[in-house]
Amino acid sequence: EAQVTQNPRYLITVTGKKLTVTCSQNMNHEYMSWYRQDPGLGLRQIYYSMNVEVTDKGDVPEGYKVSRKEKRNFPLILESPSPNQTSLYFCASSLADTLPAFFGQGTRLTVV
Amino acid sequence: AQTVTQSQPEMSVQEAETVTLSCTYDTSESDYYLFWYKQPPSRQMILVIRQEAYKQQNATENRFSVNFQKAAKSFSLKISDSQLGDAAMYFCACSDNNNDMRFGAGTRLTVKP
Repeated sequence: EAQVTQNPRYLITVTGKKLTVTCSQNMNHEYMSWYRQDPGLGLRQIYYSMNVEVTDKGDVPEGYKVSRKEKRNFPLILESPSPNQTSLYFCASSLADTLPAFFGQGTRLTVV
Repeated sequence: AQTVTQSQPEMSVQEAETVTLSCTYDTSESDYYLFWYKQPPSRQMILVIRQEAYKQQNATENRFSVNFQKAAKSFSLKISDSQLGDAAMYFCACSDNNNDMRFGAGTRLTVKP
């Protein structure tokens, strides 16, 4: 089954404790991205990657890091989480020339 | 969980003309938000317009407006004076109070010069 898998689905952590949210797709997609969703604001893009070893900032990259060492994986790293990063996060992937994007199920992160 | 349906996989419009993209949704929540996102070839997801379900007035953003029919659970997007830069994939989405967002499958809009 074609899918984008995020882990964990839910996470509660404390301020300053480094965390990683994993994202994996099994469709051999070149393009992957991370979004955060906040109440009433919809999706905002954090980072995206056009291919392996190629990453670019989206609209709200501050406080986040990503890496794309393999085509299938695109982890989101919060080096020092803060309460304003409490949000719902989505990972998505797509082929370079084909849409729509496939979205993961979301990761609900709470930073206390 | 809510569901979102976009029944038009592809649409085309002549430059300067008006086009309407359809979206229907289903949710058991009384409070929710509806969105239209644009995804151009750059793959960025761009928020086009949003509507709070408790507001009766249809949202408008420049050339973009919606026809929100709450009873029918319909949320169509109208693009007036279409421009070449409007060519993109458009996603309808619904988000409830739990911030659980669901997207439609998308409509690919082509703008003909």
